[in-house]
Amino acid sequence: KQEVTQIPAALSVPEGENLVLNCSFTDSAIYNLQWFRQDPGKGLTSLLLIQSSQREQTSGRLNASLDKSSGRSTLYIAASQPGDSATYLCAVINAGGTSYGKLTFGQGTILTVHP
Amino acid sequence: GAGVSQTPSNKVTEKGKYVELRCDPISGHTALYWYRQSLGQGPEFLIYFQGTGAADDSGLPNDRFFAVRPEGSVSTLKIQRTERGDSAVYLCASSLGNSLPGELFFGEGSRLTVL
Repeated sequence: KQEVTQIPAALSVPEGENLVLNCSFTDSAIYNLQWFRQDPGKGLTSLLLIQSSQREQTSGRLNASLDKSSGRSTLYIAASQPGDSATYLCAVINAGGTSYGKLTFGQGTILTVHP
Repeated sequence: GAGVSQTPSNKVTEKGKYVELRCDPISGHTALYWYRQSLGQGPEFLIYFQGTGAADDSGLPNDRFFAVRPEGSVSTLKIQRTERGDSAVYLCASSLGNSLPGELFFGEGSRLTVL
């Protein structure tokens, strides 16, 4: 059974700092990995999706890397801003399945960026 | 509509009562998913519809939970004889049937509290 773990559970940083969020998964046979953002009381917003054949994806100040063989991904946020404060969730889809929306999520990292 | 719509946004009920949660997917999306998110946890997969049929209901915790999508659009998640442990945010997501795996669009969720 696929298990996804995110470290740290919570992170508080001053504005402007660069930071790294970590995600690990136990079964490396994945189809893709995705990072989401969740604001309090809101749904999930997709940030970056990395296919299993890719090593990284970038969007603005965000960069996500994937090392499938070691079962790890990192989300790098450059020059953090108070508006980045949210919960960040990592999720994978296992290869070989037919349910393409059957994501396995980590518990999330709660990020607080203070001015 | 512009996004996935879920109603009610909040539902408080007493133990033992019956509850229905509704999801309106994005127009034209043939795939629909229900997830459950407990406090401090990542979402957990419940059920996946492709059109009107439940293609994967392996995440439903027990037979008190049931979901329908009679016309291939709106879906209703039904919970019978609610228990305090059912308290969670129930998230609905939709995607195009031929989209890349993981390209889900989430609603803001229905927060269920069972007293």
